[in-house]
Amino acid sequence: NAGVTQTPKFRVLKTGQSMTLLCAQDMNHEYMYWYRQDPGMGLRLIHYSVGEGTTAKGEVPDGYNVSRLKKQNFLLGLESAAPSQTSVYFCASRAAMKNSPLHFGNGTRLTVT
Amino acid sequence: AQKVTQAQTEISVVEKEDVTLDCVYETRDTTYYLFWYKQPPSGELVFLIRRNSFDEQNEISGRYSWNFQKSTSSFNFTITASQVVDSAVYFCALSDLNNAGNMLTFGGGTRLMVKP
Repeated sequence: NAGVTQTPKFRVLKTGQSMTLLCAQDMNHEYMYWYRQDPGMGLRLIHYSVGEGTTAKGEVPDGYNVSRLKKQNFLLGLESAAPSQTSVYFCASRAAMKNSPLHFGNGTRLTVT
Repeated sequence: AQKVTQAQTEISVVEKEDVTLDCVYETRDTTYYLFWYKQPPSGELVFLIRRNSFDEQNEISGRYSWNFQKSTSSFNFTITASQVVDSAVYFCALSDLNNAGNMLTFGGGTRLMVKP
């Protein structure tokens, strides 16, 4: 049972380059999220999706775009990477019930030079 | 708006000591949900516990216990007889109903170091 799978695990980009992070979940969860983790700042929400074909902005959306064309996949794109986007990115999913916990992927460590 | 504060950024204890990690939250809702997650050095985020706002019973699971007090808006986590394997970053999180995306808001985390 894979749960939430993120690819890639590591990536180094140069300023201005673009990339897409892929998140896949096999639990048939409605809700999916992208968080970034920075030292001392906990986890901050970038974008989220409440279902296939829908996305919304979180706390720190600038510089990122997302798409959810299929229920099981949630893509995070960086169109023009900046050093400030150096971070660890976590994808998560949860069932529709309000008290359901988040299930996280193992994270992607991104460095922008 | 919801907010979670973990005032302790780092705690260091010696093995077998008891340790309490503090979590204070803010929300305007009367119904909300609190969570604790563990992030060991390997980096993954592991769900530990969920608590509903209408259930103020404290919970114990082995060496772990959680003290939920609505009067002080706190949801503290105690590890009894700590072990080296408890070394991790621990996150407290909140989800309330005034939240279209069922989002969790996380505290900044507390890094716990248990020394042998």
